[in-house]
Amino acid sequence: AQTVTQSQPEMSVQEAETVTLSCTYDTSESDYYLFWYKQPPSRQMILVIRQEAYKQQNATENRFSVNFQKAAKSFSLKISDSQLGDAAMYFCANRGSNYKLTFGKGTLLTVNP
Amino acid sequence: GAGVSQTPSNKVTEKGKYVELRCDPISGHTALYWYRQSLGQGPEFLIYFQGTGAADDSGLPNDRFFAVRPEGSVSTLKIQRTERGDSAVYLCASSRDIGSYNEQFFGPGTRLTVL
Repeated sequence: AQTVTQSQPEMSVQEAETVTLSCTYDTSESDYYLFWYKQPPSRQMILVIRQEAYKQQNATENRFSVNFQKAAKSFSLKISDSQLGDAAMYFCANRGSNYKLTFGKGTLLTVNP
Repeated sequence: GAGVSQTPSNKVTEKGKYVELRCDPISGHTALYWYRQSLGQGPEFLIYFQGTGAADDSGLPNDRFFAVRPEGSVSTLKIQRTERGDSAVYLCASSRDIGSYNEQFFGPGTRLTVL
């Protein structure tokens, strides 16, 4: 079974600053994918960034980057130059060979102007 | 349409009633997934389809829940004898295929409230 743990129910950051959201996971599979999704009040889950477990290089998408520590089963998200539009719930998720996503409980990010 | 659509956006029903929730996936996407998101939680997997067949329904909580996708496109999630504990946001997602690399695109969800 796969589990995903997000230990920060809420985080806040000043506009233009950097924030890091934490995620740990557990899986018995060797081939899997990790994701960060953003869920604004509109409820629609939006993919922010993805990481293939077999890749050592950390994924980067513009202001978003991850710190993937495979041995520690840690997958944190760093948001640089935070913007007001980044405010949302952020979910970490794992997908293995069964194709279904397993999500954490989420972290509510507030961006202060 | 450009994205996954779900109807209705909100549904209020009374305990014991039957409800149907509809999902229209992105055109051409063969894989379709249903998730349930309870208040304060992340989405939890219910079922997924590859084409018309349910490839994995291990997440359905009990036999009151059933889903169909008769023509391999639109899917309907059906809940019989609704209970207050069924209140949640039901999310649908689709992907081009079930291959591991294929991104799941989510709809806006249906918020179900059982009174």
